[in-house]
Amino acid sequence: EDKVVQSPLSLVVHEGDTVTLNCSYEVTNFRSLLWYKQEKKAPTFLFMLTSSGIEKKSGRLSSILDKKELFSILNITATQTGDSAIYLCAVEAHKGGGNKLTFGTGTQLKVEL
Amino acid sequence: DAGITQSPRYKITETGRQVTLMCHQTWSHSYMFWYRQDLGHGLRLIYYSAAADITDKGEVPDGYVVSRSKTENFPLTLESATRSQTSVYFCASSVLAGYNEQFFGPGTRLTVL
Repeated sequence: EDKVVQSPLSLVVHEGDTVTLNCSYEVTNFRSLLWYKQEKKAPTFLFMLTSSGIEKKSGRLSSILDKKELFSILNITATQTGDSAIYLCAVEAHKGGGNKLTFGTGTQLKVEL
Repeated sequence: DAGITQSPRYKITETGRQVTLMCHQTWSHSYMFWYRQDLGHGLRLIYYSAAADITDKGEVPDGYVVSRSKTENFPLTLESATRSQTSVYFCASSVLAGYNEQFFGPGTRLTVL
């Protein structure tokens, strides 16, 4: 059974702090790993990673994948209150009939003033 | 409206009733998905569809029925609602089967009394 585990489950930081969110996985036929941000509505896409060791960056957010050790991290530097959200990690794997996403339970981040 | 929409946004029903949740996308994406999101479980795939008239089970399909007679619509029916189906339901779509992001609808919060 495919498994995606995120840690920590939740954390509270102060504005300006840097945070690192973790995602480890065990899946067969790995295709890609995706990060989503979920505020009080639908998840919105952040990154897709397919190759090991190549950092994806968007503003203060960055992510990297280690396919050998089966994990990914999402870094957020200089956090702002608007970064408060649930961050979801999902792993795409090829299954009979197509590709499917398996989601982790998410990390709830709260950024305080 | 452009994008992916769900209706209703909120629904309260009683045990044993049939409920249909609607999902509509305007992008002509081939792939559509139904997830449920529950505390402690993250997002779990219920059903997905690769194209009109092609559907397949996901991780938690029991108690649900889907159809896809038109590319843009992917309704989810709970044939006889149970309390355990109280959840937030998200519909998503994507262009291709893999290596690309899924776009999520705003969600339907369903309560079964």
